Amino acid sequence: DARVTQTPRHKVTEMGQEVTMRCQPILGHNTVFWYRQTMMQGLELLAYFRNRAPLDDSGMPKDRFSAEMPDATLATLKIQPSEPRDSAVYFCASGLTLAGENYEQYFGPGTRLTVT
Amino acid sequence: AQSVAQPEDQVNVAEGNPLTVKCTYSVSGNPYLFWYVQYPNRGLQFLLKYITGDNLVKGSYGFEAEFNKSQTSFHLKKPSALVSDSALYFCAVRDTHYGQNFVFGPGTRLSVLP
Repeated sequence: DARVTQTPRHKVTEMGQEVTMRCQPILGHNTVFWYRQTMMQGLELLAYFRNRAPLDDSGMPKDRFSAEMPDATLATLKIQPSEPRDSAVYFCASGLTLAGENYEQYFGPGTRLTVT
Repeated sequence: AQSVAQPEDQVNVAEGNPLTVKCTYSVSGNPYLFWYVQYPNRGLQFLLKYITGDNLVKGSYGFEAEFNKSQTSFHLKKPSALVSDSALYFCAVRDTHYGQNFVFGPGTRLSVLP
């Protein structure tokens, strides 16, 4: 069955290094969301795209985070430079927006990032 | 702006007993309401949604939820809990007045005891 895929599943890196996380949305979905999950903050929306255009990235620290959709089958979230406080699980989710309405989202398995 | 509250961090229930996981919300417009479940080391899985229509919504794995507009609640229920239902449950709301943003609650950990 169709699923959202994310790579890598786990990433350990040192502070200051660049980290790139990738997401392949479900084929045919036109809306992509990036979330960050931590014990302290819960699930936070970082950014979302519709038809590859960024609609809202107000939840994302602009100085070090960037999100793009180079094509309809790939979304990327990049952190440069990474910091220990970025350690979290990052989820991508996709959904279908029709006539301006978006309903349920389908989540990928997440990327567990550890920055030392 | 929209917000979601899940007043219980943890819910414990015996297997076979009915379970309820509570959710209340605040929106300016009309709410779209959702429940998701997260198993350990997994992403969130969609359970059910309320968009419009019947206040009682049935979803996956025998779960259902009741939309109560006057109490601004959307509690998740199941008549008979299974040990395998033990997981983290998230309520989410989308305020139609504010576009496409979803807001998730903090989550409630459900433990079903054998």
